Amino acid sequence: AQSVTQLGSHVSVSEGALVLLRCNYSSSVPPYLFWYVQYPNQGLQLLLKYTTGATLVKGINGFEAEFKKSETSFHLTKPSAHMSDAAEYFCAVSSAGNQFYFGTGTSLTVIP
Amino acid sequence: GAVVSQHPSRVICKSGTSVKIECRSLDFQATTMFWYRQFPKQSLMLMATSNEGSKATYEQGVEKDKFLINHASLTLSTLTVTSAHPEDSSFYICSAREGTGPSGAGYTFGSGTRLTVV
Repeated sequence: AQSVTQLGSHVSVSEGALVLLRCNYSSSVPPYLFWYVQYPNQGLQLLLKYTTGATLVKGINGFEAEFKKSETSFHLTKPSAHMSDAAEYFCAVSSAGNQFYFGTGTSLTVIP
Repeated sequence: GAVVSQHPSRVICKSGTSVKIECRSLDFQATTMFWYRQFPKQSLMLMATSNEGSKATYEQGVEKDKFLINHASLTLSTLTVTSAHPEDSSFYICSAREGTGPSGAGYTFGSGTRLTVV
């Protein structure tokens, strides 16, 4: 069985500050992990993914995430928040690219 | 990159009518497509998995007679909400997987359809 827990349904940061969105997963098999961003009334856009190999994954818009097996975590970070980063962020897990399980999402607010 | 087009983006219909939502993979063949439903301020819930040329697999609790899914070609899947009721109002999103096998990387999401039943 697989599941995802996103700690913090709402996160607020000041513009220019570090962004940290937390994601912990549960998986009985080696997981594939994803972060998606969703803007209002739009679909999901892939930010980054981990499948195999290097555990530090870099994505679009300056985001990155690190797969830590010992902590079953895949936290999303960005060194400096921008106003355009305000959106809903979803962490997801799948086993070898099959069915996705999404977290409940984290709404990011960027304060000017 | 891979593009999935979902149409319409917004639809308002009267209670009791049916609404069809299309999901097209524009530049790749999608052997598998997924339909999700998203309630306000909530995550995506998988409704069904559709494979080209075969019957869709519905998740537990999803009424297959109400949410008809057809995946007649490698580039098109449709979701028809039959006899819609206000409680069916939601945001519906499709995703398509390019190719086969456990790649984990070939998923693309459509832009979603906001359905409002009045």
